[in-house]
Amino acid sequence: GAVVSQHPSRVICKSGTSVKIECRSLDFQATTMFWYRQFPKQSLMLMATSNEGSKATYEQGVEKDKFLINHASLTLSTLTVTSAHPEDSSFYICSARGDSVTQHFGDGTRLSIL
Amino acid sequence: SQELEQSPQSLIVQEGKNLTINCTSSKTLYGLYWYKQKYGEGLIFLMMLQKGGEEKSHEKITAKLDEKKQQSSLHITASQPSHAGIYLCGAEERQGGSEKLVFGKGTKLTVNP
Repeated sequence: GAVVSQHPSRVICKSGTSVKIECRSLDFQATTMFWYRQFPKQSLMLMATSNEGSKATYEQGVEKDKFLINHASLTLSTLTVTSAHPEDSSFYICSARGDSVTQHFGDGTRLSIL
Repeated sequence: SQELEQSPQSLIVQEGKNLTINCTSSKTLYGLYWYKQKYGEGLIFLMMLQKGGEEKSHEKITAKLDEKKQQSSLHITASQPSHAGIYLCGAEERQGGSEKLVFGKGTKLTVNP
């Protein structure tokens, strides 16, 4: 149980493109979803927390207009990187939490902006 | 804010050897999580500890939380190549009503056959 699916697993696109990443909880309802970013050899850095039906809470230093988060249902949250640039290249990973306090993670999305 | 320090940063062991990874917090731990990550992949939940002195085991992996709830250790017995990966500890940071996780930088484990 507690499976989280993240799609796509890898994206390569040109600078200026907007990229959407989906995070789905497959077998439970996720009241809260989290989006992280991970740089090489670094830990996960929380970008934002989203609760179903409400606006996401962004961490300090994360541009909300750059990283649009939508949590439209209890099983789906999306992260859109708008007008992506090479510095946005990174590994993005989502997690979902249902009734238990444990966060369950997706497999991540490797974003490469050329 | 809470900071987690993991040691060692990397570890290379021979198959069959035991090993321990430590996670030390700057503040009291309300919930301590251990995850395993393979490079470029998601995190696999291993165990969660909440009470001082708590110990949990799953197969050959044992995690402990000290009585003061500021340090946790992850012990692997008779390591196998399948144990290789990056082990991350994460702690609940209760701040302003939100319960988010703060992670350590990870310990990269290599198990040589």
